[in-house]
Amino acid sequence: QSALTQPASVSGSPGQSITISCTGTSSDVGSYNLVSWYQQHPGKAPKLLIYEGSKRPSGVSNRFSGSKSGNTASLTISGLQAEDEADYYCCSYAGSSTFWVFGGGTKLTVL
Amino acid sequence: EVQLVQSGAEVKKPGESLKISCKDSGYSFTSYWIGWVRQMPGKGLEWMGIIYPGDSDTRYSPSFQGQVTISADKSISTAYLQWSSLKASDTAMYYCARLEGYCSSNSCYGAFDMWGQGTMVTVSS
Repeated sequence: QSALTQPASVSGSPGQSITISCTGTSSDVGSYNLVSWYQQHPGKAPKLLIYEGSKRPSGVSNRFSGSKSGNTASLTISGLQAEDEADYYCCSYAGSSTFWVFGGGTKLTVL
Repeated sequence: EVQLVQSGAEVKKPGESLKISCKDSGYSFTSYWIGWVRQMPGKGLEWMGIIYPGDSDTRYSPSFQGQVTISADKSISTAYLQWSSLKASDTAMYYCARLEGYCSSNSCYGAFDMWGQGTMVTVSS
């Protein structure tokens, strides 16, 4: 069982928006503004999409946005495109004993 | 182009030792922390540990402490992940990733902004 809880799958049609949740605890997501999100296409390495909860690295589309409320972080993808079909993982810093924890991953299907 | 290049796929038997590598190309290797992440077949990502090649300061996930050893050779800009006695359950893809951030004596900050291509390790008798 992963430290952070994500839905196993979400789906949406091209052009729609979807949101993926990432629920942790007061020891990780709730304590630190250090949630990051990663996209992983099949057979590929993960790619950083969001860091520090809501910041986008250079080159990442502004269709990807992040937020946090309490112990739950969220990734929203607007204007869904076929190439967004991938696995998405959240990650949070969890203190000096555990360091980083990942969510179990969410498979996004673009219908 | 800045990138992390990992060593090739490995097939080993239970009980054998193994050391896989992650070499930087094009950035200041000793200025960034390098982490290792496991992905078992069909499963999610698991953070294993992290090293600062500048002084070899290393931190481990409690789940992997004592199970693997992370090291680095800054003279050749390479980080390593090694096992002394592999098990079938070590079969997985292993990624190295650069931390855009830092670790102090009691906390860490940042996210993993650059990833290697992965090294598949298969352990089977």
